[in-house]
Amino acid sequence: AQSVTQLDSHVSVSEGTPVLLRCNYSSSYSPSLFWYVQHPNKGLQLLLKYTSAATLVKGINGFEAEFKKSETSFHLTKPSAHMSDAAEYFCVVSARTGGSNYKLTFGKGTLLTVNP
Amino acid sequence: GAGVSQSPRYKVAKRGQDVALRCDPISGHVSLFWYQQALGQGPEFLTYFQNEAQLDKSGLPSDRFFAERPEGSVSTLKIQRTQQEDSAVYLCASSLPYGQGEKLFFGSGTQLSVL
Repeated sequence: AQSVTQLDSHVSVSEGTPVLLRCNYSSSYSPSLFWYVQHPNKGLQLLLKYTSAATLVKGINGFEAEFKKSETSFHLTKPSAHMSDAAEYFCVVSARTGGSNYKLTFGKGTLLTVNP
Repeated sequence: GAGVSQSPRYKVAKRGQDVALRCDPISGHVSLFWYQQALGQGPEFLTYFQNEAQLDKSGLPSDRFFAERPEGSVSTLKIQRTQQEDSAVYLCASSLPYGQGEKLFFGSGTQLSVL
């Protein structure tokens, strides 16, 4: 079984300040982990992914995430928020469900608000 | 095509009506997924195709939900006798042969409202 917990449903930051969106996962197998972003009325877009290579993963738009196995965490960070970062962010875990099948499990999402 | 295309973008149905939601995946993508996203929630897995074969339908909430992909390209999600709890955004995603770390490309979704 696998699951994802996003610890904050809403995060509000000021423009130019750091962003931290927290995610903890649970998986029976070695997981792959993703962060997706969803802007209003747009499709989900991949920000970054971890697939058992480097534990610090760099993504698009200045975002990065660090895989910490001991803490079962995969928090998303950005040094300086921009107004265009305001969106819903989803942490996702992918793991084998049997045979050659994989399943993606999404967290409930964190709404990021950026204040001017 | 340039991306995953879903139609219609919005669908309003009266309770008890049948609906059909269409997904056109990216050309060449053999894996196709359907997700249901309720208001304020993360997407939840419905079903998964590899070409025309439906390999996993464990997420379909009831036997009123049916998905097909007869020629391994376009897929249709059908909901029979719609209920108010079916109101959600239905997302389609496609990828190359799906492996653990494979990236999914999502469509913009179909927003279904059942009155």
